[in-house]
Amino acid sequence: DAGITQSPRHKVTETGTPVTLRCHQTENHRYMYWYRQDPGHGLRLIHYSYGVKDTDKGEVSDGYSVSRSKTEDFLLTLESATSSQTSVYFCAVQGVAKNIQYFGAGTRLSVL
Amino acid sequence: DQQVKQNSPSLSVQEGRISILNCDYTNSMFDYFLWYKKYPAEGPTFLISISSIKDKNEDGRFTVFLNKSAKHLSLHIVPSQPGDSAVYFCAASAWDDMRFGAGTRLTVKP
Repeated sequence: DAGITQSPRHKVTETGTPVTLRCHQTENHRYMYWYRQDPGHGLRLIHYSYGVKDTDKGEVSDGYSVSRSKTEDFLLTLESATSSQTSVYFCAVQGVAKNIQYFGAGTRLSVL
Repeated sequence: DQQVKQNSPSLSVQEGRISILNCDYTNSMFDYFLWYKKYPAEGPTFLISISSIKDKNEDGRFTVFLNKSAKHLSLHIVPSQPGDSAVYFCAASAWDDMRFGAGTRLTVKP
């Protein structure tokens, strides 16, 4: 499982509240990614990081921010959650084989 | 725009038969292609991949075929087993950009 832990695994929140999801890895991977999975869309990249304090936007970054202050932790923040952000969120790391990503178990987020 | 498309949302096959999952892509810059398998309440797990310099890669019961001229790849599972029932995502990458299809739910009936 590439040593990836996502927390929380489930969260229910209200519209307008801030939410932070955490991805923790234990194998010193340089590249880390946040995706969301929605029916009919597959996995879409939100943000990624290529090192401590080095991050960049993905395909669907609006409404999300990220931070990486340590190699092992990559945080995804929804500053003011909206119902359209109800989704399953996956963290991934890039493995030793450059083109292969390994995923965490996911966080199911419901915004009411 | 969806650069990677899996046009079949679901597929059902009998145990022991072949499962063929298809995927099309539009971006000719993609040079590496992958298949992931996902069980409910788990993250996607890497299954098999192929570089654009090859047209076939085999790993046990799983074979991926790439047709670059048609921008098409397929995953063959032979023989199919009930434990193969899952959602399968194809993915394509170019440099640091990886795009995923919407997934195909495979059901293998005993």
